Amino acid sequence: AQKITQTQPGMFVQEKEAVTLDCTYDTSDQSYGLFWYKQPSSGEMIFLIYQGSYDEQNATEGRYSLNFQKARKSANLVISASQLGDSAMYFCATSDSSYKLIFGSGTRLLVRP
Amino acid sequence: DARVTQTPRHKVTEMGQEVTMRCQPILGHNTVFWYRQTMMQGLELLAYFRNRAPLDDSGMPKDRFSAEMPDATLATLKIQPSEPRDSAVYFCASGDPGTSGSRYRETQYFGPGTRLLVL
Repeated sequence: AQKITQTQPGMFVQEKEAVTLDCTYDTSDQSYGLFWYKQPSSGEMIFLIYQGSYDEQNATEGRYSLNFQKARKSANLVISASQLGDSAMYFCATSDSSYKLIFGSGTRLLVRP
Repeated sequence: DARVTQTPRHKVTEMGQEVTMRCQPILGHNTVFWYRQTMMQGLELLAYFRNRAPLDDSGMPKDRFSAEMPDATLATLKIQPSEPRDSAVYFCASGDPGTSGSRYRETQYFGPGTRLLVL
């Protein structure tokens, strides 16, 4: 069975600095996807970034990048130039051939002014 | 800007009452998911559909929960009878396989959720 581990329940970062949110995964599948979602205090789940297991390049979307290390089974999210609006819960998730997403427990990020 | 819509956004009901939550997936998305989020359990997948056919509902308490997709534009999640432990935020999401059509690349887009409180 697949599993996502997010070991940082909470993190602080100073505005305009970069921050890395950790995510490790466990899967026996050869093909899989890795996703990050943001959940602000308003409650909605916002898709941020995707990485495929066979993608050779690390995914980037604006200020978000995914540091994918396949051998270590890690898929860390890097947010550059943090903004106050980045304060939220962040969830890492993985997919398999059954379309399902398995989510981690999340990391709460607080950006300090 | 295509979005998943859910109604109602908030629901307060008494134990024993029936609750129906509705979801309109993004047009063209073939996969629809129902999740429940609580502080204790986090995000749990309850059920999901592919081309309106139920693929997996093993996450749902079968005796009181039911999920249906009467047409491509409507998915419903029903709780009957509701219990206080059902209090949670219920999310609907629809899946976009993207141009590759690969199931591994299917990105799920979430609705705003239904916040349910059962007294």
